[in-house]
Order: sequence, then structure tokens, then C-alpha cells
Amino acid sequence: GAVVSQHPSRVICKSGTSVKIECRSLDFQATTMFWYRQFPKQSLMLMATSNEGSKATYEQGVEKDKFLINHASLTLSTLTVTSAHPEDSSFYICSASILAGTYNEQFFGPGTRLTVL
Amino acid sequence: DAKTTQPNSMESNEEEPVHLPCNHSTISGTDYIHWYRQLPSQGPEYVIHGLTSNVNNRMASLAIAEDRKSSTLILHRATLRDAAVYYCILRDWSSGSARQLTFGSGTQLTVLP
Repeated sequence: GAVVSQHPSRVICKSGTSVKIECRSLDFQATTMFWYRQFPKQSLMLMATSNEGSKATYEQGVEKDKFLINHASLTLSTLTVTSAHPEDSSFYICSASILAGTYNEQFFGPGTRLTVL
Repeated sequence: DAKTTQPNSMESNEEEPVHLPCNHSTISGTDYIHWYRQLPSQGPEYVIHGLTSNVNNRMASLAIAEDRKSSTLILHRATLRDAAVYYCILRDWSSGSARQLTFGSGTQLTVLP
């Protein structure tokens, strides 16, 4: 099956610094990638939808200037958490979508655990 | 996308079948029924999906009610590695473009040895 990787798997940073998370589709080209966030004991919440070569679409309540998304190629999307604060500590998960006929299959990365001290 | 309702938690004994229910009474004719599961500290994993007919794959079976207002994910022989949160998700395929999956709270499955 299709594989999506994320790097790093976990990161610890100081408050005020920026952190970049990479999401790669390893064996397919993904026209659309999604970024989710998951707080402890909660479900996944969509943050933004990213299409290759265009600006990301952010969900309501997600600050686009704080969570910078770049989808420069069909196999790579990055999420940069700028000026991170402890409340940004969360599990960040990306997914990549592939069109199979008329059905869009979606594959998830393993997630990145961000801890902001 | 229409909403789904699942029990918060279920328990099963190891090596016994598990039936995970999902209600989706407002499902539309173009909604696919998806099941994903999430093991602790991992990203969600695709399990199965269907539209109208029952579906089988190596992981599970999906039984869809005739009126499509409910479905059941069947794990034929639960193992300890099947302990996870199982999400039942509807997604409209008719738009032709990629759409996000909207996750509810899911069912926490505990498998007892």
C-alpha cells in the first residue's frame, strides 16, 4: 500500500522557536495533503488542506500565519509552527490523497509529537 | 458530510469476533462508509470502506444495512494488536476532488487476553 512518512517523529523545542514538520508520500504522487492535530484523548481535528502549487486552505480558528504550510511538490508538504508556545504541544498528523478512478484514497503518516517547553 | 454515532468503548476477548457498530441515519446516497483505526501514538490506519454492498478484506468485514443507515465493522478474531480507537467516517465521493476525513470520537476497543 501507499506509504506516507513524517519527519521528525518527535520534537521538543523551547517556547518562541519555530519547528518544521515534513510529510512525504513515498511511492505515489499526492495532489492533496491534509494536516491534522490531535490533543491527548481527543480526536483528530483538521487544520488545513494543502494542494500542490497553491496556497493552503485553513480551517476556521487555525492561524495561517502561525501554522505555515508549503506544498512545493507532489510528494512533499511541510508544516512550520512559528513562535511555538506550550499550548501548541500536540500530535500533528498529515495525510496524502491519491485519486483511484473516481475515489480518493487517503493515507496517513505516523504523526509527529511536538512538545513545547 | 453526514454525522456518525459510535459507542465510546467496547471490550472483547482475544480470539473472539468483534462487532463494532456505527449509526449514520442521515447518510446521503453518495457517501462512502469508511473505517479507520488508530493505535496509540500512531497515525490512523485504513481498515475498510464500502458504499452499498458488504465488503471483505484481509483485515475485516464491513456489513452495511440495507437502508445504509447503519453499518458494522467485524473483526473475525480479535488479537491484542487490534486494541485501538476505531473511527467510522462518511465521505461524499461525488465532488470528484479530494476531501478531508472528519473524525468523530470513535470507539475505543479493548481486547482482553
